[in-house]
Amino acid sequence: DSGVTQTPKHLITATGQRVTLRCSPRSGDLSVYWYQQSLDQGLQFLIQYYNGEERAKGNILERFSAQQFPDLHSELNLSSLELGDSALYFCASSVVGGPYHNEQFFGPGTRLTVL
Amino acid sequence: AQTVTQSQPEMSVQEAETVTLSCTYDTSENNYYLFWYKQPPSRQMILVIRQEAYKQQNATENRFSVNFQKAAKSFSLKISDSQLGDTAMYFCAFMTPPQFYFGTGTSLTVIP
Repeated sequence: DSGVTQTPKHLITATGQRVTLRCSPRSGDLSVYWYQQSLDQGLQFLIQYYNGEERAKGNILERFSAQQFPDLHSELNLSSLELGDSALYFCASSVVGGPYHNEQFFGPGTRLTVL
Repeated sequence: AQTVTQSQPEMSVQEAETVTLSCTYDTSENNYYLFWYKQPPSRQMILVIRQEAYKQQNATENRFSVNFQKAAKSFSLKISDSQLGDTAMYFCAFMTPPQFYFGTGTSLTVIP
């Protein structure tokens, strides 16, 4: 158990819909990263937040958005869903400084299926 | 731009044997970190080993060790005494704050 939690574990929805994925980082971690992993693919970095502020942006579609709240949990919002958005979405958290400096701890992922 | 290349999409190894997974990266940065992550069929991402670029000594974690060649920008993972539980997808990752870059992965199968 990495200490990173993600909800829900599975999500099935229809094209055109909007969903919200939630992530709670490990206690004390200020950074949250979101990744998308399509079937049999590597991890695609989407976005990173650090202490509530957007810090880095990867290949995130305009239909997707994220935020990190004062309690450090993060949400990834996916709208106008398409079939190709079906994937495993991972959240990871990391701490700056200390023995685990810059090490990412991954949550179990949310499996999104768009029908 | 930073890139991470894993040139072996699939590999197999006999149980108890040793296998080496390759990873190369491209960067102009001098301060960075390298990681190997394992993703078993459960799809959970598990950190296997990490290496700081400023450290010359190769990292070791039990049966897992790396061969870090900074000049060649190479970061290979050696798994000794392979076990059935090592069957997984292995991802090489490069980190230069604040971004992480992942390779496309190597699928490793340990054969009994």
